[in-house]
Amino acid sequence: RKEVEQDPGPFNVPEGATVAFNCTYSNSASQSFFWYRQDCRKEPKLLMSVYSSGNEDGRFTAQLNRASQYISLLIRDSKLSDSATYLCVVTPPGFQKLVFGTGTRLLVSP
Amino acid sequence: SQTIHQWPATLVQPVGSPLSLECTVEGTSNPNLYWYRQAAGRGLQLLFYSVGIGQISSEVPQNLSASRPQDRQFILSSKKLLLSDSGFYLCAWSEGMQNYGYTFGSGTRLTVV
Repeated sequence: RKEVEQDPGPFNVPEGATVAFNCTYSNSASQSFFWYRQDCRKEPKLLMSVYSSGNEDGRFTAQLNRASQYISLLIRDSKLSDSATYLCVVTPPGFQKLVFGTGTRLLVSP
Repeated sequence: SQTIHQWPATLVQPVGSPLSLECTVEGTSNPNLYWYRQAAGRGLQLLFYSVGIGQISSEVPQNLSASRPQDRQFILSSKKLLLSDSGFYLCAWSEGMQNYGYTFGSGTRLTVV
């Protein structure tokens, strides 16, 4: 079983739509969680950390469910500029390294 | 503020040739440093990480090696490239003993021909 699993998509949505991605992780002792965004042929960039209580940054909401071992990202009022690949990222226990999912591709159309 | 520099941006190398990719970080001290590779259409694979000068941990057996000759310098090398070494190589750094996510360099796109 992969350490971090994501639906590769693509998710095709119109502008203004709300879209949600889920990600599951295998190690219940994982410590930190993040969502990264990667544009085509560019480096990944940190979108937001994911906290146990859930957190929001503008149109983006991230949630963590430790019992079920999944992380979610909700994007409201999608913009064309939101088109990218969204990477779910987890820190295994005891190590200062990140494990990346393979990403979910989002395409927002006019 | 902290910045990370990675070069070159693109590289085309013949099979069997050597490789040296360099990454430097500015504006911080004792960072954790990482080399990742992203093959076409695939996820990021951690190759090496370093928590200090001369300290290198290898994640997967491969044709590559890494070195950290200075606190903020991380080098990825190969003596003889294989076709399978083609990919997008990314250097990243994070705060030493904390984990607030990584900051990536702009990457090197390597094509082995």
